[in-house]
Amino acid sequence: DAKTTQPPSMDCAEGRAANLPCNHSTISGNEYVYWYRQIHSQGPQYIIHGLKNNETNEMASLIITEDRKSSTLILPHATLRDTAVYYCIVGGGATNKLIFGTGTLLAVQP
Amino acid sequence: DAGITQSPRYKITETGRQVTLMCHQTWSHSYMFWYRQDLGHGLRLIYYSAAADITDKGEVPDGYVVSRSKTENFPLTLESATRSQTSVYFCASRLVGSTNEKLFFGSGTQLSVL
Repeated sequence: DAKTTQPPSMDCAEGRAANLPCNHSTISGNEYVYWYRQIHSQGPQYIIHGLKNNETNEMASLIITEDRKSSTLILPHATLRDTAVYYCIVGGGATNKLIFGTGTLLAVQP
Repeated sequence: DAGITQSPRYKITETGRQVTLMCHQTWSHSYMFWYRQDLGHGLRLIYYSAAADITDKGEVPDGYVVSRSKTENFPLTLESATRSQTSVYFCASRLVGSTNEKLFFGSGTQLSVL
């Protein structure tokens, strides 16, 4: 199973863009990159996913490098409510179990 | 409302007792998962199921048993609970084969083993 590496914590000023990096150098060709976040002790919430192309939805943008070995989640205008642990995980395709890492604690500062 | 529900929300038990955590989803998703989350840590996969009567081990399956006799239910059983199994347990489901293969999580069961 592909593993991911994320920084344990990051800070971001309210209203600024938050860029959360993720390394997944062992990703296989048919595995997707998923991002989830977890606020307090709630169940994780889906944000976005992608295979090769960059993706954007109402919550965030996902930038995947051409070699697919890393990606960046972008929250364009971070708010205090975006303070959470953000998980980058890879999976899907032939491997449908999704393994979570330890994530990045994003603290949005006022 | 449709969704994924877990019960109980909180459970206290004693070492050596059998405990079953319930998970029910109303979407008929083929895949279901059990994760545990220890205080201050990420989620670890315990077991998952690709369909009724098909289950497989995750990262930390020891001490747990699962079954999936019906697509909508995926109970997790601790046959003889230990203190190290004190954790928050999350169930999730996923529709595979669509363009939107995201995981949907339940609200979690907080289990304390005394």
